[in-house]
Amino acid sequence: NAGVTQTPKFQVLKTGQSMTLQCAQDMNHNSMYWYRQDPGMGLRLIYYSASEGTTDKGEVPNGYNVSRLNKREFSLRLESAAPSQTSVYFCASSTPGELGLAGTRTYNEQFFGPGTRLTVL
Amino acid sequence: DAKTTQPTSMDCAEGRAANLPCNHSTISGNEYVYWYRQIHSQGPQYIIHGLKNNETNEMASLIITEDRKSSTLILPHATLRDTAVYYCIVRYYSGGGADGLTFGKGTHLIIQP
Repeated sequence: NAGVTQTPKFQVLKTGQSMTLQCAQDMNHNSMYWYRQDPGMGLRLIYYSASEGTTDKGEVPNGYNVSRLNKREFSLRLESAAPSQTSVYFCASSTPGELGLAGTRTYNEQFFGPGTRLTVL
Repeated sequence: DAKTTQPTSMDCAEGRAANLPCNHSTISGNEYVYWYRQIHSQGPQYIIHGLKNNETNEMASLIITEDRKSSTLILPHATLRDTAVYYCIVRYYSGGGADGLTFGKGTHLIIQP
């Protein structure tokens, strides 16, 4: 199992250019996520997808679009890149949470890819 | 979600137990405590999670105080490979099938040889 894979590993763009970051998982997980991490900071959620055909906005969705192509693949698109989007982008996947105590659900663990390091000049 | 407070950095000698504290004084009854770590800019890695009871797995132990306002992650025999940023996350899962995690700045744990 490769787990979660991301392409490309590195990318340099000029302001205004567009690109798509690719993510795939081979663990048959229903849920997938895109995060960004700026220097010295924790990760912030951009978009997520609970299942094939559904997507939802996270904390910082502006300037991004996503596509859940099938159960395996979840892509992130920058239509017009800006220097503020310089960051490391992580994709993750997880199974749905299991039913826990008192009717609450817990997460299963999220599995992260190696990241894409994007620089926008 | 409850806010968490962690020290910015900690040192620990190799072979000793590393104890990483986390305060979450506003945690509610149905929120879980999760720990992830991130080694040198790799993707974060799940370590452990718990609700109220202490938990142990092959990587670590999680001790949650009785009032659930704080917790401690214990790496029993730290190695140099445990040098990483450790994130304490408190989260209630809404049950909608997926939900993202909220990462703070975490604790940078440095294992000294």
